[in-house]
Amino acid sequence: EPEVTQTPSHQVTQMGQEVILRCVPISNHLYFYWYRQILGQKVEFLVSFYNNEISEKSEIFDDQFSVERPDGSNFTLKIRSTKLEDSAMYFCASSREENSNQPQHFGDGTRLSIL
Amino acid sequence: DQQVKQNSPSLSVQEGRISILNCDYTNSMFDYFLWYKKYPAEGPTFLISISSIKDKNEDGRFTVFLNKSAKHLSLHIVPSQPGDSAVYFCAASSQGPLVFGKGTRLSVIA
Repeated sequence: EPEVTQTPSHQVTQMGQEVILRCVPISNHLYFYWYRQILGQKVEFLVSFYNNEISEKSEIFDDQFSVERPDGSNFTLKIRSTKLEDSAMYFCASSREENSNQPQHFGDGTRLSIL
Repeated sequence: DQQVKQNSPSLSVQEGRISILNCDYTNSMFDYFLWYKKYPAEGPTFLISISSIKDKNEDGRFTVFLNKSAKHLSLHIVPSQPGDSAVYFCAASSQGPLVFGKGTRLSVIA
């Protein structure tokens, strides 16, 4: 069964450094998402992406964050200057359609640890 | 801002019995509801969903019930199996982004 893959599984970075989290969505999916889960808290929406542009973003997704689909398969989340509070699990998800009873499928996440 | 609430952080059930996980929501614009299961060190795995035009959806051992007037949904697992032990997340959406509950940890005891 096709699945969403994320790399790396764990990223340790010094505060202030840039980090890029990578995702390969399911191949025939058109909508892509990033979510994060801070330890002990809810899974929170960050951003959605469709047709090579951001379709929606949350308050969390400030100027330090950006997303890109650099080629036909990868979908990346960049944090320009990481802060301690960026430490979290980051999940990528994809879906065929944006609603219409098409569920989002999630990767196994990248654990980001900011020191 | 708790648009989706799962008030039971944990639930223990005997193997073979029914597990009932509950979820409440406040946003009447939500029209699509999903349940995800999550094991440690893995991402949420889609289980079952329901559109707001329905009140029940069944898939094998899993049934989701939606009560729109009460803004309440539930997931029934019957019979429960030890492999069902995981954290279960309720999620809802109106267009696109999912809003998650905090999750309920289900333990199925053999």
